[in-house]
Amino acid sequence: QVQLQESGPGLVKPSETLSLTCTVSSGPINGYYWYWIRQPAGKGLEYIGRIFPSGNSNYKPSPESRVTVSVDRSKNLFSLKMNSVTAADTAVYYCALGDMIRLDYWGQGALVTVSS
Amino acid sequence: QSALTQPASVSGSPGQAITISCTGTSSDVGGYDFVSWYQQHPGKAPKLMIYEVTNRPSGISFRISGSKSGNTASLTISGLQAEDEADYYCSSYTRSTTLVFGTGTKVTVL
Repeated sequence: QVQLQESGPGLVKPSETLSLTCTVSSGPINGYYWYWIRQPAGKGLEYIGRIFPSGNSNYKPSPESRVTVSVDRSKNLFSLKMNSVTAADTAVYYCALGDMIRLDYWGQGALVTVSS
Repeated sequence: QSALTQPASVSGSPGQAITISCTGTSSDVGGYDFVSWYQQHPGKAPKLMIYEVTNRPSGISFRISGSKSGNTASLTISGLQAEDEADYYCSSYTRSTTLVFGTGTKVTVL
């Protein structure tokens, strides 16, 4: 059974960069799509971006220009960087694995608060 | 890219059937048979319940079913049970090759 775990700072200052890592364990990971999803408190899920098995990536149109996702297959981990954060970026951030159209495995989520 | 539209809440008594709608456009729900549904209990990660409109992953109850007509997909839970009380989200593949989620529906078992 594939297991995912998000890690990173829980508090980020406005205008700085949010950085999260997702470590994948307990299962094969080749061929999966790697996703980042977020959920502000009391609100719905929001697609941030994903990495294809080919290494390409795509992002939600906004905040696409602020987001970079990357993968280190040798270490079974992938990362999210979001720069110039504001309070509106405060949310629980989830990493997930799946295919092009569905998310099969999810991490437990990491709360990131943007505040000075 | 707008979120797919779901009713904010749906409720039903134990044993009844409920249906949750998910309305998009021809650029997402209507254009592809790539709708998924997720169940989320409070404080927990979402869990895949339906993929490709009608398919259930292994281990998902037969009481859960999905369908689609035009730009609207639907999730039906039959024989409603207390454990079904949760938030439900649809998602769809989009023309821009991203995914979009629905606004979410809170299911209450009366």
